[in-house]
Formats: sequence, C-alpha cells, structure tokens
Amino acid sequence: QQQVKQSPQSLIVQKGGISIINCAYENTAFDYFPWYQQFPGKGPALLIAIRPDVSEKKEGRFTISFNKSAKQFSLHIMDSQPGDSATYFCAAGIQGAQKLVFGQGTRLTINP
Amino acid sequence: EAQVTQNPRYLITVTGKKLTVTCSQNMNHEYMSWYRQDPGLGLRQIYYSMNVEVTDKGDVPEGYKVSRKEKRNFPLILESPSPNQTSLYFCATPGGGGSYNEQFFGPGTRLTVL
Repeated sequence: QQQVKQSPQSLIVQKGGISIINCAYENTAFDYFPWYQQFPGKGPALLIAIRPDVSEKKEGRFTISFNKSAKQFSLHIMDSQPGDSATYFCAAGIQGAQKLVFGQGTRLTINP
Repeated sequence: EAQVTQNPRYLITVTGKKLTVTCSQNMNHEYMSWYRQDPGLGLRQIYYSMNVEVTDKGDVPEGYKVSRKEKRNFPLILESPSPNQTSLYFCATPGGGGSYNEQFFGPGTRLTVL
C-alpha cells in the first residue's frame, strides 16, 4: 500500500512534443505529490508538486494533473526540449510524516 | 549557499571491507535521510534522523548503520559491504520550502562492491 507505480520506464519524444509520465498510488493517506528531475551525475531536484485539493498545477511548461478518485497523477511537459532529457521521479508523502515514497523513475529523452 | 555534500563521490571496494560515506549539510536542518537509487526501483529510504541522537529505519535498512552525533553530519556506515549494496546513494534534507516532504538531495555517491 506504500508503493507508487510509475510508467513508462523510458520515453523518447521529439523536440516540441508533449511528454507524459504517469503515476498511481494506493495509500489514500498521501496528501503531497511531488515530481523530481534528475540529470546525470546529479541528485534529484524538486520540479513541481501538488496537493490533492486541486486537480491541476502548472509551472511554465510543466503541468501536474491529479485524479483523486482514480488515485493517479501525471506530469505533462509541453513543448519538450532537449534540455528536458533527464530521469523523472514521482513521489507521494504525508505532510509532517517526513517521508516520501518514490516511483521507479522514467528516463526521458528528447530528440532534437 | 545551501549545500548537502557527500564524500566520497565514487568508491569501489571489496566484500566485507567496512566503509563510511559522509554527509554534511549547512542549512542547520534537524531532519536528514539516506536513500539508495537502483534501476527500476527508484529511490528507497535507508535510514533517517529527526535530530541529533535520534535515528530510525527506513524501508531498506538491512546492512547499514547510521549515526547522528552533530546536527550537520549524518554518516552512512556499511560494516560488511556485499555486492547487493552496489548502488547510488543520496543524502537528503528538507529544502527551503519548510516542508519535510521537499527533500533537497546531495550529489550522490556511486558505490561498487566487488
């Protein structure tokens, strides 16, 4: 019940296209859903996060869509650029519980 | 500049040879944690510490030890490393948002156990 399932494991998108990464969770106590971006040789860095009281959050080209009833959330990258090529992790947590459960990761490649 | 530093960044060792990976943060944060990253498994928490002398197990603590004798440092100890501990390790502490969930990760330590 603590798992977060992420798909796909890898994704190739053409420059200018839309990248979509999906995550699903089981634990309804989760109330915080961040996405992390990791470049080779670096630690993951917080990209964008959402709480379940909203269905969508947008920051620039990055959007999180959240479906509470389906227990799913996804990251959409609009107008994908080669600089977006990285590994992306979704995660889920409970505010104040000092812990995040991470998905399996998606290696995104944007072809020029 | 807010920083989490880890040393060493790369390490190749042999089975059974004790090693320590150090982690230090300059943000005066109470909470620190260790994760390991493996292909297809994502990031999994090994141990965490809520304050000096307060540590607890995460999801995959077997084969690891930690200590927290001062606020800024949180070393990860492998007393008898085995090949299944070959992994990429990250130290983390909450970021500037004030929420414990917004983890700020160090640069990582790539460990190979032969």
